[in-house]
Amino acid sequence: ETGVTQTPRHLVMGMTNKKSLKCEQHLGHNAMYWYKQSAKKPLELMFVYSLEERVENNSVPSRFSPECPNSSHLFLHLHTLQPEDSALYLCASSQDEGSAGNTIYFGEGSWLTVV
Amino acid sequence: AQKVTQAQTEISVVEKEDVTLDCVYETRDTTYYLFWYKQPPSGELVFLIRRNSFDEQNEISGRYSWNFQKSTSSFNFTITASQVVDSAVYFCALRGNDMRFGAGTRLTVKP
Repeated sequence: ETGVTQTPRHLVMGMTNKKSLKCEQHLGHNAMYWYKQSAKKPLELMFVYSLEERVENNSVPSRFSPECPNSSHLFLHLHTLQPEDSALYLCASSQDEGSAGNTIYFGEGSWLTVV
Repeated sequence: AQKVTQAQTEISVVEKEDVTLDCVYETRDTTYYLFWYKQPPSGELVFLIRRNSFDEQNEISGRYSWNFQKSTSSFNFTITASQVVDSAVYFCALRGNDMRFGAGTRLTVKP
């Protein structure tokens, strides 16, 4: 069983829909992350949460709205997305956010297609 | 600024061949960590190894081995006797003040 689980694994949504991606980590970590992986592009860090507080937002458009209700759960709320937002969205966690030595563990990702 | 370069975009080998994936990095941090991840078609990034900047010992784990050379800022990954199951995209990453990933190398191992 993977330490970081994401649902749904696949999502197709229209540009006017509202949907959410869910992530849960079973590792007892304090930091959680959302990354975006598009074709032909490097991994892009979107958001970082440490102890349920958002510590980083990498100029992500407001149509992506994260939520971290507790240190084990992370959501990414999606609203009025564009076709170019179609990508693999990866959730990850690490023991702490600030320490470079902490390994970041990833989930299996949610494949999002915006039509 | 930190940077990770994986110059090999795609590599194709035949099963049982050895293959080396290159990773070159740039950083001004004196303390940093280097990572390798494997991403199979399912999507998950699977953690393979972490190495800190003060430990230049090479590491071997089964068919996998890693060569860290600080003098050339490289952290190369070798798979010995490759298998079809090794087919994946492999990412090298550097973490100092922030985390940087390389663009990845797609490895295809043919039977």
